[in-house]
Amino acid sequence: DAKTTQPPSMDCAEGRAANLPCNHSTISGNEYVYWYRQIHSQGPQYIIHGLKNNETNEMASLIITEDRKSSTLILPHATLRDTAVYYCIVTYNTDKLIFGTGTRLQVFP
Amino acid sequence: EAQVTQNPRYLITVTGKKLTVTCSQNMNHEYMSWYRQDPGLGLRQIYYSMNVEVTDKGDVPEGYKVSRKEKRNFPLILESPSPNQTSLYFCASSTGVSPLHFGNGTRLTVT
Repeated sequence: DAKTTQPPSMDCAEGRAANLPCNHSTISGNEYVYWYRQIHSQGPQYIIHGLKNNETNEMASLIITEDRKSSTLILPHATLRDTAVYYCIVTYNTDKLIFGTGTRLQVFP
Repeated sequence: EAQVTQNPRYLITVTGKKLTVTCSQNMNHEYMSWYRQDPGLGLRQIYYSMNVEVTDKGDVPEGYKVSRKEKRNFPLILESPSPNQTSLYFCASSTGVSPLHFGNGTRLTVT
C-alpha cells in the first residue's frame, strides 16, 4: 500500500472550513484514498473515500488532485465535536488498513 | 442499530491469566479483524477473518489467538497475557468491499 504523509496537527476555528491535506505520491492506479477519524480513543470512524473523482457526503468532501498524488479532506463547517485525529489511508484492499499517525485537528471556539 | 460490540470495555489482569475479549457484529459482515493501538505506533492489525472458519495473521499476531465459529462473533484470546500486551484493542467488520466499522475499544492492562 502507498505511504501517506499528513501534518501532525492543525487548528481550525469553529464554523470555519477545515482543510486537511494528505500526500500520497506513490499511489497506484487501483488504490483508493480513505479517510477515517478517531475521537479521543473511540473506535475509528469512516468518513469518506474516493478513487479519482471528488466525493461529497453528509460529513465531508474529498478533493483528489488530477495526478492523484495528493488529496484534501474538507469539513465545511467545523464544530468542536470534529476535534479528532484524522487518518488518510491509501489502499486497494479495504480488509487491511494501515493507519499512520494522522493529523490531530483541534477545533477551537 | 448497526454496530460492532466489544466486551469488556476495560480489563485489568495479571500476567499469565488467560482472557478473552469478545467481539460481535449485527451487520452480517463476512470480514472481521482485530487491531491494537499503542502510543506512537498507530493501529496495527493482529488477526483477521474473511469468513466463518477462515482466519489469518495480521502484522502482530504473536501471543494472540482468534476463532470464527459463527459469522457474527470473532473473539480475541490471550492464552498467557504479558505486560507488553497492555494496549487499546479494536475489533472491526465489513462486507469486504465496504468501509470498516469499528467497535468502541477494549482497554487492557496486564500487570
